[in-house]
Amino acid sequence: EVQLVQSGAEVKKPGASLKISCKPSGYSFTSYCIVWVRQTPGKGLEWMGTIYPGDSDTRYSPSFQGQVTISADKSISTAYLQWSSLKASDTALYYCARRWVGPSYNWFDTWGQGTLVTVSS
Amino acid sequence: QSALTQPASVSGSPGQSITISCTGTSSDVGGYNYVSWYQQHPGKAPKLMIYDVSNRPSGVSNRFSGSKSGNTASLAISGLQAEDEADYYCSSYTSSSTYVFGTGTKVTVL
Repeated sequence: EVQLVQSGAEVKKPGASLKISCKPSGYSFTSYCIVWVRQTPGKGLEWMGTIYPGDSDTRYSPSFQGQVTISADKSISTAYLQWSSLKASDTALYYCARRWVGPSYNWFDTWGQGTLVTVSS
Repeated sequence: QSALTQPASVSGSPGQSITISCTGTSSDVGGYNYVSWYQQHPGKAPKLMIYDVSNRPSGVSNRFSGSKSGNTASLAISGLQAEDEADYYCSSYTSSSTYVFGTGTKVTVL
């Protein structure tokens, strides 16, 4: 069974750093890209960026460029989303999902369960 | 990149058909046949319902269908059932090699 299992909920203070993870199973890690999506009550779903684990080639949404870092460790088949200095506005539910690596495959067919990040003083 | 525009809510009675629109621009919806649709029940992750405008993944009911005309894509649900009550989001590939989601539509089964 194909699954993307994400790390658990986090509560952090403003200014703290954070790295959340997404570990796929049931398929070859380098056959699919991993995308990260933010969900907030006010803005719905937002695509943050995509990484191809094979060579760590990464593309970011202009809205998130410089705000987060997407990475992957293919030795342990895990993708990451990290912040160096969290803000209250980063409070949201974050999903990872997969997309087949081919350029004509532009949909996200399997999603993780989501990681809730709460940033509060 | 602005979010694609969807109606905030659509409702229908069991057995009826409804349509959800998703309006973008020639740089996203209108420029590519790369529109997908996702269903999200409360507290659950999104689920792929339609890809490449009108294709259904294996296991998705044929009551769901997609289409596109110009800069507007549509998701139709026929024979509405209680289990269809959820939020629906469209998504499109863009000319900037990025992705954009729609604003989301809450479907209510009366």
